[in-house]
Amino acid sequence: GQNIDQPTEMTATEGAIVQINCTYQTSGFNGLFWYQQHAGEAPTFLSYNVLDGLEEKGRFSSFLSRSKGYSYLLLKELQMKDSASYLCAVRGASGGSYIPTFGRGTSLIVHP
Amino acid sequence: EPEVTQTPSHQVTQMGQEVILRCVPISNHLYFYWYRQILGQKVEFLVSFYNNEISEKSEIFDDQFSVERPDGSNFTLKIRSTKLEDSAMYFCAGGQGNQPQHFGDGTRLSIL
Repeated sequence: GQNIDQPTEMTATEGAIVQINCTYQTSGFNGLFWYQQHAGEAPTFLSYNVLDGLEEKGRFSSFLSRSKGYSYLLLKELQMKDSASYLCAVRGASGGSYIPTFGRGTSLIVHP
Repeated sequence: EPEVTQTPSHQVTQMGQEVILRCVPISNHLYFYWYRQILGQKVEFLVSFYNNEISEKSEIFDDQFSVERPDGSNFTLKIRSTKLEDSAMYFCAGGQGNQPQHFGDGTRLSIL
């Protein structure tokens, strides 16, 4: 089975930097995804890590350490519109499956 | 940018009735998925579809559920004899193998 753990809720100030952590235990590993989900809307793809290290995409960066079963999503220059749930999803490596397992999400509240 | 589209956006149905949720994936996607998200809970995988047949399904996807791609473009999820606990957001997603999945806006299913 797969187990994904991320904080339930975080708060941060507009303009600041926030780091959202995700730890996982999986049978094999075949990629980790971060999605953003605003209330009542669909998840929107943010980043994909399959090798160790940092992937940067504008204000968002994602880091992966496969040996530690650990990832984080870094959001810089926070804006009010960044208030959303951030979903960590991990794809195991059993039988060529492409199915990611989603964590419960971290609800980020950005305040002025 | 092409999008995955889902209809209807909201479906209200009496318990015991059948519902059909529809999705039009992006044309170059090869894999199609259905997920559900019960209010306040995590995104859960239901089924994946490739080459006109089911490739994987979760334990949630029991005999009550079925999927079809009747005309080569639409991708449908049928729920027979709906139950109260089927109330959730249902998301269709598409992708190309190990690439990130792109989600539709979802159908909110309310069972009365």
